[in-house]
Amino acid sequence: GAGVSQSPSNKVTEKGKDVELRCDPISGHTALYWYRQRLGQGLEFLIYFQGNSAPDKSGLPSDRFSAERTGESVSTLTIQRTQQEDSAVYLCASSLGNRNEQFFGPGTRLTVL
Amino acid sequence: AQSVAQPEDQVNVAEGNPLTVKCTYSVSGNPYLFWYVQYPNRGLQFLLKYITGDNLVKGSYGFEAEFNKSQTSFHLKKPSALVSDSALYFCAVRAYRDYGNNRLAFGKGNQVVVIP
Repeated sequence: GAGVSQSPSNKVTEKGKDVELRCDPISGHTALYWYRQRLGQGLEFLIYFQGNSAPDKSGLPSDRFSAERTGESVSTLTIQRTQQEDSAVYLCASSLGNRNEQFFGPGTRLTVL
Repeated sequence: AQSVAQPEDQVNVAEGNPLTVKCTYSVSGNPYLFWYVQYPNRGLQFLLKYITGDNLVKGSYGFEAEFNKSQTSFHLKKPSALVSDSALYFCAVRAYRDYGNNRLAFGKGNQVVVIP
């Protein structure tokens, strides 16, 4: 079946602009995660959605970052007033509940000039 | 808070030789442990996991990993490496619980280079 998809695959933007990244999880997966991967580093947790529960936003690095999820489907990660240090690959993952392995999308490579 | 250490930046191995990628972890209580592989310009792919039961777990592509509670380790192994195994490998851990965030703590990754 279809895996996790993300769009766009690449995004180049100017400092100060807003960007919106999209994630389509695997159908039926109730849990959805956003991570950030800086060059040469591991994954950094950003935010977690589980069903209709309030999201865990504890990993968001600043108030410029926000995310939404519509039910158990699409999620968008928004970065306002982008800075150069926001340049990274943003990965989305979904899982069937919170006890199972996460399946990752291909990521969106964000470059802030 | 949980954490993972992958002490080597890069692992070089000749094709056909055994491959080992090291991982040690820190977590409160019992761990869930995972290995993921990342090929160039692609997302992470799940390889295997340890939840409970046998300490030796087998996963995709001939990989296996051994959970060692006393050494808090979960090293990834493959008896005979292939050139196509060249990739970035991540170890991850979360605490064992039935509620809340399945947040994974990832190591920084190990680049594996298999030399023909």
